[in-house]
Amino acid sequence: RKEVEQDPGPFNVPEGATVAFNCTYSNSASQSFFWYRQDCRKEPKLLMSVYSSGNEDGRFTAQLNRASQYISLLIRDSKLSDSATYLCVVNRNSGYALNFGKGTSLLVTP
Amino acid sequence: DTGVSQDPRHKITKRGQNVTFRCDPISEHNRLYWYRQTLGQGPEFLTYFQNEAQLEKSRLLSDRFSAERPKGSFSTLEIQRTEQGDSAMYLCASSPGLTPLHFGNGTRLTVT
Repeated sequence: RKEVEQDPGPFNVPEGATVAFNCTYSNSASQSFFWYRQDCRKEPKLLMSVYSSGNEDGRFTAQLNRASQYISLLIRDSKLSDSATYLCVVNRNSGYALNFGKGTSLLVTP
Repeated sequence: DTGVSQDPRHKITKRGQNVTFRCDPISEHNRLYWYRQTLGQGPEFLTYFQNEAQLEKSRLLSDRFSAERPKGSFSTLEIQRTEQGDSAMYLCASSPGLTPLHFGNGTRLTVT
């Protein structure tokens, strides 16, 4: 089983839609969770951290369910500029580095 | 520009040749990482340095791969006897802590 699993999509949604991405992780001892964003042919960049109580950053909401080892990202009122690949990220067993999921591709259309 | 710098941007090599890539991290970051990314996949962890110490290596890092970070500044990643399966984007990242990782633009390796 892969350490971080995501539905690769693609998700095609119209502008203004709400879209949710899910991710599961295999290591129950994981402590740190993040969503990164990667634009086409660009490097990944941190979108937001994910906290146990859930957290929001503008139109983006991240949730963590430790019991189910499940992380989600909700994007409200999608913009064309949200089109990108969203990478679910969890710390490695060692705690030194991060494991990335395969990514979920989002295309927001006019 | 004080971001992470990688060199070269592109490398085309013949199977069996050795290649070396360089990464210059953000100067105040003591953590440095190498990742590899192929089309349609997320970055795969290769190795991690804290200062000059290599503290973790992935099982993906076969004995043909070696990385160094002398003096805790720039890092090099060498691949010996390249194979076609080594073709990928090699990403270097640095960070002050576990996150955020600041990635460079990557070195795209093509093995023919």
